[in-house]
Amino acid sequence: DAGVIQSPRHEVTEMGQEVTLRCKPISGHDYLFWYRQTMMRGLELLIYFNNNVPIDDSGMPEDRFSAKMPNASFSTLKIQPSEPRDSAVYFCASSFLSGYTFGSGTRLTVV
Amino acid sequence: KQEVTQIPAALSVPEGENLVLNCSFTDSAIYNLQWFRQDPGKGLTSLLLIQSSQREQTSGRLNASLDKSSGRSTLYIAASQPGDSATYLCAVRTGTASKLTFGTGTRLQVTL
Repeated sequence: DAGVIQSPRHEVTEMGQEVTLRCKPISGHDYLFWYRQTMMRGLELLIYFNNNVPIDDSGMPEDRFSAKMPNASFSTLKIQPSEPRDSAVYFCASSFLSGYTFGSGTRLTVV
Repeated sequence: KQEVTQIPAALSVPEGENLVLNCSFTDSAIYNLQWFRQDPGKGLTSLLLIQSSQREQTSGRLNASLDKSSGRSTLYIAASQPGDSATYLCAVRTGTASKLTFGTGTRLQVTL
C-alpha cells in the first residue's frame, strides 16, 4: 500500500496564476479530505468527499478555490487566481470506517 | 461547534523522562479520537485511534486514554527518546460527521 499520494510536493507560483494540487487516496477508502495548514491557523478542513460526492465545502475560503473528485482514485484542488495568502501546506487524507491516513502534503508558495 | 485544545503548546524534557500530553474537547458526543505525530516539514502520522466506547489504547511506549464525560484525552509517552521530538496533534471526530477537528498541537523536544 503506497498510502495517500500527493503531487507536487512543492509548488512555487506567481500571484494570479492557476494552481492545481493532486491527490490519490488509498484504494478502498470512501472518504477524501483536503486540509490546509498554516502557522497562524493550524489545520483547517477545506472540503471532503464521500464516494466521490462533495459533502461539506464550508471550509473553502473563497470562490477562487474549487475541488473535484472525478473518480474514486483521484482528486484535485484548484486555486484560480492564486494569492500570496494562499501560501500554506495542503494535505489530502483518506479514510474508511475510522482512522485517517494523510498524504505528505504539497507546500505551496505564492510570490 | 467542536473545539479542541492542547496544552502545553510546547514542552522540553530530558531523555528518559515519562511525559503526558493533554487534549480537551468541548462536545463529548465524539465518535473517536486520534493522536497524530508530525515531524517538521512532513505529513501527519497516525499514532493511536480510540473509539468512543474505549478508555485507552496502547502502542509500544505510547498510551492514550479517553474520558468522554470530562472531554479529555491524554497521550502518555514512556522513557522519552530524542527521536520522539515532533509535534503531537489530537483530533476528534464528532457525532455522525466524518470530518476531524484538530487541536493546535504540542511541540515536544526531547534533549540528550
